[in-house]
Order: sequence, then C-alpha cells, then structure tokens
Amino acid sequence: EAGVTQFPSHSVIEKGQTVTLRCDPISGHDNLYWYRRVMGKEIKFLLHFVKESKQDESGMPNNRFLAERTGGTYSTLKVQPAELEDSGVYFCASSPDPQAPYGYTFGSGTRLTVV
Amino acid sequence: KNQVEQSPQSLIILEGKNCTLQCNYTVSPFSNLRWYKQDTGRGPVSLTIMTFSENTKSNGRYTATLDADTKQSSLHITASQLSDSASYICVVSAYGGNNDMRFGAGTRLTVKP
Repeated sequence: EAGVTQFPSHSVIEKGQTVTLRCDPISGHDNLYWYRRVMGKEIKFLLHFVKESKQDESGMPNNRFLAERTGGTYSTLKVQPAELEDSGVYFCASSPDPQAPYGYTFGSGTRLTVV
Repeated sequence: KNQVEQSPQSLIILEGKNCTLQCNYTVSPFSNLRWYKQDTGRGPVSLTIMTFSENTKSNGRYTATLDADTKQSSLHITASQLSDSASYICVVSAYGGNNDMRFGAGTRLTVKP
C-alpha cells in the first residue's frame, strides 16, 4: 500500500509569505495527525483529525496556522503569515484507529525554512 | 523540561558492535512506550511498542526493555549494520489518547565501517 505522502518535501519562503503544506494519508485511515519538529527540539503534536473533523487542535501554536481536511481525505496546513520561528520539519501521520498497535505511519515530512 | 529524556544525544560505533540507547520519562499516567527509527530525510518508523505489563520486546536485532517502576526504557541494537545509522526516538503515551504522546529529542546513531 502507498504510504503517507507529504509535499513539498522542502519549502523556503520569506517572512510574511504564505505556505501551504499537504498530506495524503494512507487510504482508509480516518485519523490524521500533524506534528512539528523545530531544530534541536523534540517532535511536538499540532492537531488530530478524525475524518474531516478536528478532534484535537490543542498543539496549534497560534492563529497563523490553519489546518483543513475537506472530505476526510488529504489535509492541508497553511501558515499565514509565516514567521522565522515557524521553520522546522512538519510531519503528517495517519492511522486506522488511535490505538493502532504499532502507532502511526509517518510521512517523510516537509522541511520549512522561513528566511 | 521535556517529559521524555534520551541519552546519549549522539553515538558513534563500529559496524558489528552492539549499543544501548536510554530513555527516561516522567509521563503519567503511563499507557505505552514506543521506539521509532528515523532515517535522514524520512519520517519515523515504529520499531517496538510496550505497554505497562511488558518489560521486553524484540524486533529482529532491536530489543527494547521497559521498567515501569523506574520509568526507564532502553533500546539495544545487536550486531550493528551501516543501515542502522539513524535517529532513534523514544515516544511515551499517557492515557487519554495518542494525542498525549510525548517525544524524546532522539539519539543520533552513526555506524562506521
């Protein structure tokens, strides 16, 4: 089966610009998660979708971040306007259920650099 | 302070040697602990998962241990290979769902020929 796909793999934008990251989960996985790893730090949770609904968005850093999952398939994460501290690697993961025995399947991530 | 601390931060070993990575956590109430391997430029891939009642779990040359009393886990890699070079991340979940996963910062392992 195809894995979790994220694109772009890399994005370099200027401060104040807008960037949209996309995640295609494994087909049939209702649960989709966004995570972020800032350089030198641990991976941190951003939000969790169940189908098209936001189950938990407690990790979203501020209102410059907007995640959507229209139709319960792929998801987008928009950062507008981007700030320098938004730089990092954004991971998406999906699972068929939250208690999946071996956890989630992660995508390869999008490395965002804000200059 | 992170609720999941890993050591060492980085490690270099020769091919064929064994190594042990450490994970200490304060996450509570404990649900499960996972070890992930993350190759450069890729997403984390699950190696093992252990619940409270399990104290050891193997996956090929990888063996994870868990001491829920002392809140410590280790990942032992036997007969290392060049392809083992990666970051190894310890992830601890609290009860309340997987949104309560806490990630360690990882141990960067380099295996040299």
